[in-house]
Amino acid sequence: QSALTQPRSVSGSPGQSVTISCTGTNSDVGGYNYVSWYQQLPGKAPKLMIYDVSKRPSGVPDRFSGSKSGNTASLTISGLQAEDEADYYCCSYPGSYPVIFGGGTKLTVL
Amino acid sequence: EVQLEESGGGLVQPGGSLRLSCAASGFIFSNYAMYWVRQAPGKGLEHVSAISLNGGSTYYANSVKGRFTISRDNSKNTLYLQMGSLRPEDMAVYYCARDSHNSGPYPPDYWGQGTLVTVSS
Repeated sequence: QSALTQPRSVSGSPGQSVTISCTGTNSDVGGYNYVSWYQQLPGKAPKLMIYDVSKRPSGVPDRFSGSKSGNTASLTISGLQAEDEADYYCCSYPGSYPVIFGGGTKLTVL
Repeated sequence: EVQLEESGGGLVQPGGSLRLSCAASGFIFSNYAMYWVRQAPGKGLEHVSAISLNGGSTYYANSVKGRFTISRDNSKNTLYLQMGSLRPEDMAVYYCARDSHNSGPYPPDYWGQGTLVTVSS
């Protein structure tokens, strides 16, 4: 299985919205509603931001939202803040091991 | 509160061995499949290994198959990764992570803080 495809980088100004895409196949992203998104700050462990495509864990701001269309999942961050600057990874249930991660996207807040 | 705490990382020579541990708390450990995920310096996330609820089923990435062994002790709420024949390309931060839907292979929800494995002579 190949890694999910994410843009290497995205950027936005404070207050704007940005969307990060995550493209897989109908055997992973497109086949199941089990896509998660993680935020990774420098030197820190990944933190779950979205699970099951669009659900937010307790404590995650509602500025973070997830969606899916076909084989592509998306993470949208609205009202961008400086502390959102981080690496973001998507992950999908693949039907069988291994769990598949995206290559990661570096978000820069201008 | 769910907590995962890895230990056992360090500097090891090529060909050497290391045993990582992950102490779990705040949830019923025996109810969840568990993973080891690694991240090489400046790179992305790689799912290295997984183990089922009772330890009866395991998964290994091709890159570590035959060299690494995952295990768990549900009485001690602890996950292990025995690493052998270590190579420079195994150098990474190793994270312990919990399957989000109990039985795998769902994306993980909780992660430990990671433990760094350095393979160098």
